[in-house]
Amino acid sequence: GIQVEQSPPDLILQEGANSTLRCNFSDSVNNLQWFHQNPWGQLINLFYIPSGTKQNGRLSATTVATERYSLLYISSSQTTDSGVYFCAVSLNFGNEKLTFGTGTRLTIIP
Amino acid sequence: EAGVTQSPTHLIKTRGQQATLRCSPISGHTSVYWYQQALGLGLQFLLWYDEGEERNRGNFPPRFSGRQFPNYSSELNVNALELEDSALYLCASSQQWSGANVLTFGAGSRLTVL
Repeated sequence: GIQVEQSPPDLILQEGANSTLRCNFSDSVNNLQWFHQNPWGQLINLFYIPSGTKQNGRLSATTVATERYSLLYISSSQTTDSGVYFCAVSLNFGNEKLTFGTGTRLTIIP
Repeated sequence: EAGVTQSPTHLIKTRGQQATLRCSPISGHTSVYWYQQALGLGLQFLLWYDEGEERNRGNFPPRFSGRQFPNYSSELNVNALELEDSALYLCASSQQWSGANVLTFGAGSRLTVL
């Protein structure tokens, strides 16, 4: 099956810092999503981004499908950004299960 | 618009018992997905239902089963509970015809097996 690796596994930053999270995947995908899991376990969809670049406030994401990676940028970090960030991918249409990466645990220190 | 709702929020069982978890998708969504997240680990795909049919299944033993009802809500059953079944069980829903299969997750059901 498809392999999804995320880096770094852990990241500790001061409030106000910027960060870049990376997601590498082993095969062509038709679906890529970024999620944020808060400390209570709730998964929030951040981006649906199988290719290209999107921005939403302080967050932006870029997927280079031909090179099989995606990046999530967080600018001016706030303590509420803490949690685990997952990327998830699926292969061709008709095989719609999302395979999740290993996650990046982000801790923002006041 | 109501999101994906899961019940119960917490469930405590003993080894060998059965657990039933429930999920109501967003109105208009026909697909339901179940994932298991053991403590400190990533999400493992369990089951995918669409239009009442099981479409895909993850690498879990047969004692994990489920179904989808005509109103698209879903139930996950875990028989003969084992200690390692303790986990957060997450349900997600999506619209399959939308062209962009964006999953929306519920808050999860935390199962503890003693």
